[in-house]
Amino acid sequence: ETGVTQTPRHLVMGMTNKKSLKCEQHLGHNAMYWYKQSAKKPLELMFVYSLEERVENNSVPSRFSPECPNSSHLFLHLHTLQPEDSALYLCASSQEVVAGGVVRDEQFFGPGTRLTVL
Amino acid sequence: RKEVEQDPGPFNVPEGATVAFNCTYSNSASQSFFWYRQDCRKEPKLLMSVYSSGNEDGRFTAQLNRASQYISLLIRDSKLSDSATYLCVVNSFNKFYFGSGTKLNVKP
Repeated sequence: ETGVTQTPRHLVMGMTNKKSLKCEQHLGHNAMYWYKQSAKKPLELMFVYSLEERVENNSVPSRFSPECPNSSHLFLHLHTLQPEDSALYLCASSQEVVAGGVVRDEQFFGPGTRLTVL
Repeated sequence: RKEVEQDPGPFNVPEGATVAFNCTYSNSASQSFFWYRQDCRKEPKLLMSVYSSGNEDGRFTAQLNRASQYISLLIRDSKLSDSATYLCVVNSFNKFYFGSGTKLNVKP
């Protein structure tokens, strides 16, 4: 496996279910991110982890709970979601590198989990 | 004011055309800049990082103007496969800010 992988790719759940999204990066990066992308809307940053510590929680409701057990894995635990939470959930990773005086810190995205809440 | 603002789309151009996208950002201390491409129902993919001197990759040229807080992407000789949404992304203090994207439709 290379790059950033996400499972499952598609998920349908009821409002009372509990499920988890998984992200794994094989790039040796030290930062990982969760984004939400609703239909025809820009990406919304949800959470940022740097060196396994959460450094950003962008006013996300508590029904979304992230977990970063190590630098390669990131989870998003879901419970009692609402239909408006239906969206594409994207994981990304990055690593800041300085090469030749230039900062290189591109983000690389996983394929996303398309979530539908009924 | 939004952190990153892009041209509204869609841009509808014929094959072979040259098309330019613009993007402005609000934080003068922003440290790095990117263009991503996103196909329908897919994840964003890095197209180019944007360096202060400007950079070119084949048919794509990116430029940065820090004084005007402005980034551009030029696509020459457009192909049908260039049809996608192009996202301007700015990193400010290790936070990535995404523009809402500009949709490009290249028509035969």
